[in-house]
Amino acid sequence: GDSVTQMEGPVTLSEEAFLTINCTYTATGYPSLFWYVQYPGEGLQLLLKATKADDKGSNKGFEATYRKETTSFHLEKGSVQVSDSAVYFCALSVNDMRFGAGTRLTVKP
Amino acid sequence: GAGVSQSPSNKVTEKGKDVELRCDPISGHTALYWYRQSLGQGLEFLIYFQGNSAPDKSGLPSDRFSAERTGGSVSTLTIQRTQQEDSAVYLCASSLEFASGGANTQYFGPGTRLTVL
Repeated sequence: GDSVTQMEGPVTLSEEAFLTINCTYTATGYPSLFWYVQYPGEGLQLLLKATKADDKGSNKGFEATYRKETTSFHLEKGSVQVSDSAVYFCALSVNDMRFGAGTRLTVKP
Repeated sequence: GAGVSQSPSNKVTEKGKDVELRCDPISGHTALYWYRQSLGQGLEFLIYFQGNSAPDKSGLPSDRFSAERTGGSVSTLTIQRTQQEDSAVYLCASSLEFASGGANTQYFGPGTRLTVL
């Protein structure tokens, strides 16, 4: 069935470091791909999305490119901030939404 | 405008009791989704509604779980004879419509934390 596998955490980085959180997917159809973020004490928020191959989603300095050839949607940010500390979920949707297990990111000053 | 709201925010119950969780979607959103977030197990899709109908109930973990939606708006998720393994955060989301491929963005509520003693 459709599924998402994302990099296990936790991930701890220093401020201004480069971030990559890997995400790969398995889908029978043509999924849309998403990254959601959950800040401490808050609900899930959409961070970015891509609906077809080669699309790049971007928001708040984060980017992810829909790679059909590698079935991947890795999340990247060039320079993380303390305020980026959160749990990040990769997700795909063909008919329903399937989420990865989440990756906890902690950014230290 | 108002986002997705859920109530109660916290619910503590005794094993064997029934509980009802409520979700109020964003006005005008026709699609509504229920998820469960268990500690260490990520997010689990339970069920979705397009309007008042739920085409696929196979994500519900057992026959103790049921959900309904009336008037195309508020939805309730009912868990009968609760068990300790039902303890989790139950999340609701809504989107403008249910679009194949999921192109419609889902907006999440704050969740209901259920604790079964």
